[in-house]
Amino acid sequence: DAKTTQPTSMDCAEGRAANLPCNHSTISGNEYVYWYRQIHSQGPQYIIHGLKNNETNEMASLIITEDRKSSTLILPHATLRDTAVYYCIVRSLGGSGTYKYIFGTGTRLKVLA
Amino acid sequence: GAGVSQTPSNKVTEKGKYVELRCDPISGHTALYWYRQSLGQGPEFLIYFQGTGAADDSGLPNDRFFAVRPEGSVSTLKIQRTERGDSAVYLCASSLLAGGQSEQFFGPGTRLTVL
Repeated sequence: DAKTTQPTSMDCAEGRAANLPCNHSTISGNEYVYWYRQIHSQGPQYIIHGLKNNETNEMASLIITEDRKSSTLILPHATLRDTAVYYCIVRSLGGSGTYKYIFGTGTRLKVLA
Repeated sequence: GAGVSQTPSNKVTEKGKYVELRCDPISGHTALYWYRQSLGQGPEFLIYFQGTGAADDSGLPNDRFFAVRPEGSVSTLKIQRTERGDSAVYLCASSLLAGGQSEQFFGPGTRLTVL
């Protein structure tokens, strides 16, 4: 299973872009990168996912390097409500096709007023 | 629409007791997952159901843990002879399909405290 490494914590000023990096150097060709966030006392919330092309939705953008060994989640205009723990996940395909998520410890993003 | 719901939201029990945690997935979702999250850690995979059958139970820590999904919808996680180390938030997630790019939708979790 591919592992991911993320910085433990980051701060970002409100209104500025938050750029959250993730390393997944052992990712294999058919594994997707998923991003979730978890606000205190809630379940994880899906943000975005991608395989090798950059992706954008209403919440964020995902930039994946050409070699796919790292990615960056971009929140273009961070608000106080974006304060959360952000998880970068490489979707594992088990022998029986389980598609389970393997979470790391994530990045604790604090958006400052 | 309704999301994934879990009951109870909090459960306090004594060491050695039996507990059941319930998960109601999003209607029509075929895949259901259980995770466990200890304080300060990311969620840890426990078991995955495709329909009624457990397709992968490799994350269950020992034989005190068991889960069922008899009709392919609601699932129950059962823990026998609870230990203090079982204290955690137990998260349930469901996805429309097991494969492809279907993302998992998580419930709010059940906080289990074993005294």
